[in-house]
Amino acid sequence: DADVTQTPRNRITKTGKRIMLECSQTKGHDRMYWYRQDPGLGLRLIYYSFDVKDINKGEISDGYSVSRQAQAKFSLSLESAIPNQTALYFCATSEPGQGYNEQFFGPGTRLTVL
Amino acid sequence: EDKVVQSPLSLVVHEGDTVTLNCSYEVTNFRSLLWYKQEKKAPTFLFMLTSSGIEKKSGRLSSILDKKELSSILNITATQTGDSAIYLCAGHAGGTSYGKLTFGQGTILTVHP
Repeated sequence: DADVTQTPRNRITKTGKRIMLECSQTKGHDRMYWYRQDPGLGLRLIYYSFDVKDINKGEISDGYSVSRQAQAKFSLSLESAIPNQTALYFCATSEPGQGYNEQFFGPGTRLTVL
Repeated sequence: EDKVVQSPLSLVVHEGDTVTLNCSYEVTNFRSLLWYKQEKKAPTFLFMLTSSGIEKKSGRLSSILDKKELSSILNITATQTGDSAIYLCAGHAGGTSYGKLTFGQGTILTVHP
């Protein structure tokens, strides 16, 4: 079984719609992250959470919000989706045992906004 | 703002060639430099580098960090078609950003038979 899961894996939506991407992990890690990947731009950090009560903006948080419902769950919302939010979205986790150096990635959600 | 830059952005080689991928970084309170490999799915961890001049090696892949030059290289010898992937490097910040990675754009490596 995958340690970091994301749902849905693929989603097509229309401009202006609200959409939520969900991430769950069974690794017991305290830190969770949301990234988006666009061709030629690598991975860019949207939001990160060091624990349930600690949420921080990344470099491209505008147009996104997050919720850390529990240590194992971290959701990303697009309140009003727009076409330039079309991208591949990854959730990741990390733990103090590795000095938070290594991050473990989920399988990704491919989002298309028409 | 932290920044990581990779070069080249894409590379096409033939099986058996040796390739060198470059990564330069400007990361606040730098802690480590990480390399990931991404095929048609999530990135997977390759190496973590914290000390200058000490080579990390795994099979045909090796990597080294130069803290003076704020850079790292990833070498792949005797390339195979299975090495075709996006290679990402990331800088790990310390201080109040401890645990936060800044990724480079990635290098797309294509290995032809």
